[in-house]
Amino acid sequence: GAGVSQSPSNKVTEKGKDVELRCDPISGHTALYWYRQRLGQGLEFLIYFQGNSAPDKSGLPSDRFSAERTGESVSTLTIQRTQQEDSAVYLCASSLGVVTAGELFFGEGSRLTVL
Amino acid sequence: AQTVTQSQPEMSVQEAETVTLSCTYDTSESDYYLFWYKQPPSRQMILVIRQEAYKQQNATENRFSVNFQKAAKSFSLKISDSQLGDAAMYFCAYRRFSGSARQLTFGSGTQLTVLP
Repeated sequence: GAGVSQSPSNKVTEKGKDVELRCDPISGHTALYWYRQRLGQGLEFLIYFQGNSAPDKSGLPSDRFSAERTGESVSTLTIQRTQQEDSAVYLCASSLGVVTAGELFFGEGSRLTVL
Repeated sequence: AQTVTQSQPEMSVQEAETVTLSCTYDTSESDYYLFWYKQPPSRQMILVIRQEAYKQQNATENRFSVNFQKAAKSFSLKISDSQLGDAAMYFCAYRRFSGSARQLTFGSGTQLTVLP
């Protein structure tokens, strides 16, 4: 597709369950980012993939959070044993990489609600 | 670490009028990018305007312009001739020019209401 695609758009889960969120970046974009946005707040950086380099995981809030990306394609963000404080919109973005004017292209996000 | 501060949680403007949203940031670097993103209720972040720190000239995009004051570490967004479609949450963001940690660092946002 032309833009960044995320699924599911909305996810409701019970506390303690695991969830997977998917991001399909723009074709050719080597960099991929995950952000978390709690209700009424700004975006918190979670993790960053750049090509085949080791990902920057410095923003992951706990070891319940992990993400994978195969090559320069789809990425999956996994949250294990979900807690109510994990409720948020999870936004994915991609960009052309380091040689760029810096613009990130965002998807519409996955809204996670933990009951 | 870089920080971005937006001190106006909410702003309102009359349709066709001009409004300025404030942003300050903290960095020890000399080269970087600054951005304003717009987030409508659809949740998708849309780039409004970008500024390269090495450029002295303020960026403009149609009705949107910035006042970039590098020494003061200030980066405000001016919206002229405001339209109902401009109503959204606006985020200021910083990105390193090179090296590691290339993610965007965002401010907390300003909710803009446009009054008819």
